[in-house]
Amino acid sequence: AQSVTQLGSHVSVSEGALVLLRCNYSSSVPPYLFWYVQYPNQGLQLLLKYTSAATLVKGINGFEAEFKKSETSFHLTKPSAHMSDAAEYFCAVSPTGGGNKLTFGTGTQLKVEL
Amino acid sequence: DTAVSQTPKYLVTQMGNDKSIKCEQNLGHDTMYWYKQDSKKFLKIMFSYNNKELIINETVPNRFSPKSPDKAHLNLHINSLELGDSAVYFCASSPNKGNGYTFGSGTRLTVV
Repeated sequence: AQSVTQLGSHVSVSEGALVLLRCNYSSSVPPYLFWYVQYPNQGLQLLLKYTSAATLVKGINGFEAEFKKSETSFHLTKPSAHMSDAAEYFCAVSPTGGGNKLTFGTGTQLKVEL
Repeated sequence: DTAVSQTPKYLVTQMGNDKSIKCEQNLGHDTMYWYKQDSKKFLKIMFSYNNKELIINETVPNRFSPKSPDKAHLNLHINSLELGDSAVYFCASSPNKGNGYTFGSGTRLTVV
């Protein structure tokens, strides 16, 4: 079964600093990978996705993620954090074979401080 | 023009009651889902329907019964509500593989 592990349930950065949220996947073949953001009392919004095209994926709000097969990682980055980036971030995986079930990581809460 | 809309947004009810949550999507997607998010923000899939056909049924108590009258609607009925059912329930839809899901804004269910 495929899964993702998010390292660090809470990450705190200063405004203007680099954001790095870590995600490692477990799969026998490279899967589809996603990052979602959840603002308080809202649903989940797709930030970006990896579907076996370019390994460096750019998303909305200045976020990007790089797929590294050798490290089984799909870390999310943003060069300069903004106060509005404070939210819960989820990494998710779905199979490239049969089915389209999305399995989520446990989430990372990002706090942005002045 | 909300893409995936859920009603109600908040639901407070007593133990033992039966309640329903409705979901509608206007994206033309073939597949719809129900997810449960617990108090620790963990998201777990409950059900998935593809064009009105049940394709995923995770280990969910029989008290939970999804119904899909057409591919744009997926409702969730819960019988004999228990305290442990308190959570946020999300509906989602997707067109096909590799495109991710579009989520509704969630229904916060509180059982007292």
